Amino acid sequence: GEDVEQSLFLSVREGDSSVINCTYTDSSSTYLYWYKQEPGAGLQLLTYIFSNMDMKQDQRLTVLLNKKDKHLSLRIADTQTGDSAIYFCAVLTGGGNKLTFGTGTQLKVEL
Amino acid sequence: DAGVIQSPRHEVTEMGQEVTLRCKPISGHDYLFWYRQTMMRGLELLIYFNNNVPIDDSGMPEDRFSAKMPNASFSTLKIQPSEPRDSAVYFCASSSHRDRVSGANVLTFGAGSRLTVL
Repeated sequence: GEDVEQSLFLSVREGDSSVINCTYTDSSSTYLYWYKQEPGAGLQLLTYIFSNMDMKQDQRLTVLLNKKDKHLSLRIADTQTGDSAIYFCAVLTGGGNKLTFGTGTQLKVEL
Repeated sequence: DAGVIQSPRHEVTEMGQEVTLRCKPISGHDYLFWYRQTMMRGLELLIYFNNNVPIDDSGMPEDRFSAKMPNASFSTLKIQPSEPRDSAVYFCASSSHRDRVSGANVLTFGAGSRLTVL
């Protein structure tokens, strides 16, 4: 089955950029997603990218996809304390119905 | 729209008891997913429905787990009997085939039901 890996923790200073990385194994994955989970809450979709794109920008968020290396990243510009959360990478597999999630990266933003 | 609604938000029960988790998907969504989140295993897809019909239940851990969707606006996940290793946060999510026109399959998640089995 699909494996999706992320580093567990990232700590940044307020105002700096954050880069959260994700690797996956299924080269036939069509869509890749970033979700955010705040404490005690469900997952909230941040953005997604189609596999034929290299980059997608949405306000402070930039998604980069390296399909050859099966590597996805999420860059958050001007990181704020409100960005502190767990960020999940997810990959669409299984004929377009299944989302396989990574382990999640806990982002801590320090003043 | 109120989003995906799950109940209860928290449940504490004793080993051997029956647990029923409930989900109301977003109106008009025709896909419903049940996920389980634990520290050890992360987010796991348990089962998903399309138009109230179970499509893939390969993630259901064992026969103690069952899920139903009697109509388009309600689904249950039942654990009987419950065991301490079932302690987790259970998420329900829904999506619409209309989203899937673009192929993106955007899931909207509920707030989750935190289950503790003592």
